[in-house]
Formats: sequence, structure tokens, C-alpha cells
Amino acid sequence: NAGVTQTPKFRVLKTGQSMTLLCAQDMNHEYMYWYRQDPGMGLRLIHYSVGEGTTAKGEVPDGYNVSRLKKQNFLLGLESAAPSQTSVYFCASSTNVFDEQFFGPGTRLTVL
Amino acid sequence: KNQVEQSPQSLIILEGKNCTLQCNYTVSPFSNLRWYKQDTGRGPVSLTIMTFSENTKSNGRYTATLDADTKQSSLHITASQLSDSASYICVVSARSSASKIIFGSGTRLSIRP
Repeated sequence: NAGVTQTPKFRVLKTGQSMTLLCAQDMNHEYMYWYRQDPGMGLRLIHYSVGEGTTAKGEVPDGYNVSRLKKQNFLLGLESAAPSQTSVYFCASSTNVFDEQFFGPGTRLTVL
Repeated sequence: KNQVEQSPQSLIILEGKNCTLQCNYTVSPFSNLRWYKQDTGRGPVSLTIMTFSENTKSNGRYTATLDADTKQSSLHITASQLSDSASYICVVSARSSASKIIFGSGTRLSIRP
């Protein structure tokens, strides 16, 4: 059981470039989440999904898009990266909204 | 506004000592409260979860308390070990909404030998 995995672990982008972060879970969880973590702040929810084919906006969705084509995968896209998107991104999954969330190891993204 | 405030922001204690971390919240309607441990460079890992009717929950040397009336929670760590050095995050969920899961900014705990 790998749990929740994230690809890549590190990435450096130039302003205006695009990229996709991949999250995969092998626990058959319905719920998946994307968060960003910035120094001195709590994790903030970007987007989440309550099942295959469904997505919803979180607290800070602007500049990001997501897709959940398969139950085990949740993709986070940045169409035109900005320095304000420099952050550590965490993916998580859970059985339902009330249960423990299992987090991936994070992706450290720097936008120059 | 739904908020979760943690104190202190950081704490340094000697190995073997006890400590207590605090969490105050204004999330409504309250569903549950979790404490997570986050080691440097890793994702958070759940320690405890409490619902409205629970006022204490233990996980080994970690004991969490909840006072739903005053909207306060604490995490007590007994006989600290070097491996307890981490950030401890309080997370409060409002009922029925994945978008209403509010994370505190965490307490950074350092254990010194």
C-alpha cells in the first residue's frame, strides 16, 4: 500500500509556464483534496472532489484547475504560473468528509 | 468567520518534559476536531479526532481534550521524545461540507536533548 503519492516532489517554473501536479491514492477513497501550505499559515483548500468526475472549489481556487477522471487520481493544473503560487502543495484523500485525511508527501513549487 | 487559532506559535522543551498546546476555534456548526502531526518535509498525519460529545481522546503519549462550550481544545504530550519535534496542527470541520475544514497555522515544537 503506497497510500497517497504525489508527482513531482520539486519543480521550478518561470512566470507564465504551465504544469500539472499528479496525486494518486490506492485506498479507494471517494474524497480527494488539494491544499497549499505557505509559511505562517494553515493549509488552505484549493479544490476538492467527492467522487470520480466531480470537482468543487475550495477557499483559494483562482489560478488553478483540477480534474478527477479516475477515482484514484486527482490532477492539479496551473495554466499560467505566477510567483504568488510559490508554495508547498499537498494532496489528501479520505473515505468521507468526516474521516481522517491521508496526506501525500507534498510538492515544493517555486515560480520565478 | 470560521477561524482556528493555535498557541503558542513555537515551543522548545527538554526531552522527557510534558507540554500542552492550545487550539481555539470559531467554526460553526461544529462537526469534529482533529490534531495532526507534521514532520518537517512531510504531509500531516492524524493523531486524534473528537466529535461534539467527546471531551478527551488519547493516542499513546498524546492526549487531546475538547470543551465544545468554550470552543477550546488542547493537546498534551507526556514524557516528550526527540521524535516529537514537529508541527502540530489543529483542524476543525463544520458539518457536511468539505470546504469548511479549517486548518490552524500550527505550533512548532522542538524537543532538546
